[in-house]
Amino acid sequence: DTGVSQNPRHKITKRGQNVTFRCDPISEHNRLYWYRQTLGQGPEFLTYFQNEAQLEKSRLLSDRFSAERPKGSFSTLEIQRTEQGDSAMYLCASSLRSDSYNEQFFGPGTRLTVL
Amino acid sequence: GNSVTQMEGPVTLSEEAFLTINCTYTATGYPSLFWYVQYPGEGLQLLLKATKADDKGSNKGFEATYRKETTSFHLEKGSVQVSDSAVYFCALAASGGSYIPTFGRGTSLIVHP
Repeated sequence: DTGVSQNPRHKITKRGQNVTFRCDPISEHNRLYWYRQTLGQGPEFLTYFQNEAQLEKSRLLSDRFSAERPKGSFSTLEIQRTEQGDSAMYLCASSLRSDSYNEQFFGPGTRLTVL
Repeated sequence: GNSVTQMEGPVTLSEEAFLTINCTYTATGYPSLFWYVQYPGEGLQLLLKATKADDKGSNKGFEATYRKETTSFHLEKGSVQVSDSAVYFCALAASGGSYIPTFGRGTSLIVHP
């Protein structure tokens, strides 16, 4: 299966620790998105890349969050000095670039629990 | 700004019942509208979409019609199955840029045999 994959699927950490998540998009997709989803809510946009360029960041993305996509393939999302409020499901999606909406394909997510 | 409002769940139905999940939106311009489905333990999947007023999206027996006059995109299915149990998200994507979707809160559907 060549869908979007995310690792790890679950992460439990203590407050103040740093965590890093990885997303591998569908290979021919040049856009990659990160979302956060809390219980009972829909996904909220964090940031997206077109190839290796980070083109947009939500105001939800505090300075403790950083995302990279160094070679335009996989991406990492790092959270520094985690807080309990960071506990959420972190979703990655990928799509082809287009001048109109292109379907985003979502990974299964990484569930973060900050103790 | 753009927003999507969905009916609260869970919606609990017996197999073969008729399903309606209400969705209304607020947006400037003419957004595209979507329904995504999330099965337990899986990522969100696009279920159907409509890109202009009066368009009807359909897939797997589900339908939704883009109603500009009522700013609605209600999801319907004539006869649900146990396998339809999932969380359903209504979303919109405004034109003119990155097409980042805005999602509703999701509505959980539970179908009993």
